[in-house]
Amino acid sequence: DGGITQSPKYLFRKEGQNVTLSCEQNLNHDAMYWYRQDPGQGLRLIYYSQIVNDFQKGDIAEGYSVSREKKESFPLTVTSAQKNPTAFYLCASSRTGSTSYEQYFGPGTRLTVT
Amino acid sequence: KQEVTQIPAALSVPEGENLVLNCSFTDSAIYNLQWFRQDPGKGLTSLLLIQSSQREQTSGRLNASLDKSSGRSTLYIAASQPGDSATYLCAVSPTGNQFYFGTGTSLTVIP
Repeated sequence: DGGITQSPKYLFRKEGQNVTLSCEQNLNHDAMYWYRQDPGQGLRLIYYSQIVNDFQKGDIAEGYSVSREKKESFPLTVTSAQKNPTAFYLCASSRTGSTSYEQYFGPGTRLTVT
Repeated sequence: KQEVTQIPAALSVPEGENLVLNCSFTDSAIYNLQWFRQDPGKGLTSLLLIQSSQREQTSGRLNASLDKSSGRSTLYIAASQPGDSATYLCAVSPTGNQFYFGTGTSLTVIP
């Protein structure tokens, strides 16, 4: 089955530690995205990548970093510089160069930092 | 920057009722609009995608419309069922590669 996997489902870290969230897709999509979801707020874009070895900042990139070394993978690192890292993180992918850009989402990772 | 609003924030209806969810956006220059469903603690499931040149899309009991000039979209759900209970999110893309999301409408269908 084609889809997007995110691991782990739940992640707990101490304040001051960096943590990396995994996102893998086997949909052969060129574009991948990271969003953050907080209670009472809509999803906010952190980073996106439309091609391997290239990525752009979204609206809330501060305190986060990404890499795109493979088409299938787009890991997100939450650094100690992120002031409020506790949130639900969602990864998505889509085709590019088409007329739709329909986004497909993974199951999410809930990060708790104490 | 595109602002997306969904009203109401919560809606409760009896089973079998037809209902409409609303989404409004501030900039009519959009590439497409996508409706999603989210169950508690889960990722988003795509329901319908409407291109900027389209007026509506249908899938089963769902029908989404788009009126760019007024900055509005509606999601119509026919003959609602308890399994439709979820949060429904609207997302607008100005360029095709970035989406701006509303805060969602939490729907409860009462058996």
